[in-house]
Amino acid sequence: DTGVSQDPRHKITKRGQNVTFRCDPISEHNRLYWYRQTLGQGPEFLTYFQNEAQLEKSRLLSDRFSAERPKGSFSTLEIQRTEQGDSAMYLCASSSDRGNQPQHFGDGTRLSIL
Amino acid sequence: DAKTTQPTSMDCAEGRAANLPCNHSTISGNEYVYWYRQIHSQGPQYIIHGLKNNETNEMASLIITEDRKSSTLILPHATLRDTAVYYCIVPPLAGGTSYGKLTFGQGTILTVHP
Repeated sequence: DTGVSQDPRHKITKRGQNVTFRCDPISEHNRLYWYRQTLGQGPEFLTYFQNEAQLEKSRLLSDRFSAERPKGSFSTLEIQRTEQGDSAMYLCASSSDRGNQPQHFGDGTRLSIL
Repeated sequence: DAKTTQPTSMDCAEGRAANLPCNHSTISGNEYVYWYRQIHSQGPQYIIHGLKNNETNEMASLIITEDRKSSTLILPHATLRDTAVYYCIVPPLAGGTSYGKLTFGQGTILTVHP
């Protein structure tokens, strides 16, 4: 199966620590998206990339968050100085930029802040 | 994004058809309707999308009204594994800065019972 892959699946860390998540999109997809989902809510858009260019960032993406996609393939999402409120599921999705192709999601990284 | 409205929850007996409605009265002429579902602890799964004609794939059928202000997702023979939250989404059109950004509402919790 060559779907969207996210690593790690679970991350537990202490408040104040830095964490980094990785997303490997479907190989031929040049668009990559990050979403965040808290308990009982639908996913919320954070940011997206067209190849290596980050084209849009949500207001949810504070200065402590940074996302990269250096070679237009995999992407990383880093959270610095984690806070309790950062506890959530972080989802990655990818899509083709041709027409109205759907986004395909990974199973996410669940972050728990102690 | 066009706003969508879905019932909070629905029940369906196993083996029967599940018909999930969605209202999107502010949809514009070229915006597509997408359906995703999310099973507990997994990422959203793409189901189907359409513009104005009815669509069918191996998972479901999508019926869009002639005025495009509402649609119905049909799971023809629901199984217990179809129990999930179902999201109806109308994303922004291609070419805009928010192209591809999905806005998830609360969705419909579908419970399939034996």
